[in-house]
Amino acid sequence: NAGVMQNPRHLVRRRGQEARLRCSPMKGHSHVYWYRQLPEEGLKFMVYLQKENIIDESGMPKERFSAEFPKEGPSILRIQQVVRGDSAAYFCASSPTGAGARSYNEQFFGPGTRLTVL
Amino acid sequence: AQKITQTQPGMFVQEKEAVTLDCTYDTSDQSYGLFWYKQPSSGEMIFLIYQGSYDEQNATEGRYSLNFQKARKSANLVISASQLGDSAMYFCAMREMNSGGYQKVTFGIGTKLQVIP
Repeated sequence: NAGVMQNPRHLVRRRGQEARLRCSPMKGHSHVYWYRQLPEEGLKFMVYLQKENIIDESGMPKERFSAEFPKEGPSILRIQQVVRGDSAAYFCASSPTGAGARSYNEQFFGPGTRLTVL
Repeated sequence: AQKITQTQPGMFVQEKEAVTLDCTYDTSDQSYGLFWYKQPSSGEMIFLIYQGSYDEQNATEGRYSLNFQKARKSANLVISASQLGDSAMYFCAMREMNSGGYQKVTFGIGTKLQVIP
């Protein structure tokens, strides 16, 4: 039973290039969350997606960042024209459902993608 | 106001001793959940333990237990019989239902635990 998969694990980009980060949720999970972890900091929520829908993108910068979770295939976090401040670890998590007042919906985390912008 | 507060940036503990990592939270929800995750130097996030706001008993998972004090809004992690492999960053997190009707998870800034042989 494969866990959440992210690739690449490490990504190096020069300033101005594009970064594409992929996340395949656990089998049967239809909810995906992206988090960013800057050096020496905790995880900060970026975006929450269900299949073909962005539910909450309140944590994602308005410019250069976009996310999608198509009907088929992995979720993609795309960063255009990267800058040095984008260097961080980007974690994806998935859960089987997103709602349920008393349900325990642990978010299962992927191993993260470490983006370095030169 | 911070949703999750972890006031200990770093902690040391002697091997085989117990250690408590502090976490306080702020929410107006009646239904919420509290998590602890471990992040070793390799970087992955490892789920340790979960406590639901309606759970009357403190959660336990092996050497991990969560000291849940609802009135004080604290959810401290207790690690018993520390091992060298426990050296890592530890994050407290809270799941709440937001106004959109779905869950949102907020993380604290973490505590770095170092186990001394």
